[in-house]
Amino acid sequence: EVQLVESGGGLVQPGGSLRLSCAASGFTFSSYNMNWVRQAPGKGLEWVSYIRSSSTTIYYADSVRGRFTISRDSAKNSLYLQMNSLRAEDTAVYYCARGLGYYDMWGQGTLVTVSS
Amino acid sequence: EIVMTQSPATLSVSPGERVTLSCRASQSVSSNLAWYQQKPGQAPRLLIYGASTRATGIPARFSGSGSGTEFTLAISSLQSEDFAVYYCQQYHNWPPWTFGQGTKVEIK
Repeated sequence: EVQLVESGGGLVQPGGSLRLSCAASGFTFSSYNMNWVRQAPGKGLEWVSYIRSSSTTIYYADSVRGRFTISRDSAKNSLYLQMNSLRAEDTAVYYCARGLGYYDMWGQGTLVTVSS
Repeated sequence: EIVMTQSPATLSVSPGERVTLSCRASQSVSSNLAWYQQKPGQAPRLLIYGASTRATGIPARFSGSGSGTEFTLAISSLQSEDFAVYYCQQYHNWPPWTFGQGTKVEIK
């Protein structure tokens, strides 16, 4: 089955860190560009970060640059998001999404809650 | 950064009706526009890309049109499973890739 499955979300205190993972299956993960997109509770969608298939190009939204790091391991068919210095405004469901431009496949999301 | 604006915020319609949702870009995005559908508790699903091309498995009752700064998503005859939030997204100038704030289609 072709799917993306996120994990690693949870409750973390402000200033803390969390590492999200996204496991890909059913397609050639190494050939696809990947993204993280988040959605705060009751709000719209916000693109967070992009990584090219070869990992040679990486982009971040201004709101997370310098705090978040995207990476991938094609041997493990996995995408990662290391989140440091977390803030209350980072509270959201985080989705991994496949594609450059538009996103034709999404995971089910993992909830990150930043609160004391 | 290109700002995407959707209207209306909420649309109340009856099953079987035709609906049109609007999306406007703050500058031209050519035809580099996608539409997504999101139901409560679910991930978004790609409906349309290239402003008018239906994604795999999307029913023909969904159609997209427009170019430049004005875009429309039409649903020809609303089914019960179509009640959801719809987002437009531009991928012309990036980063960042930007989404509209969404239009909720609810049962009248």
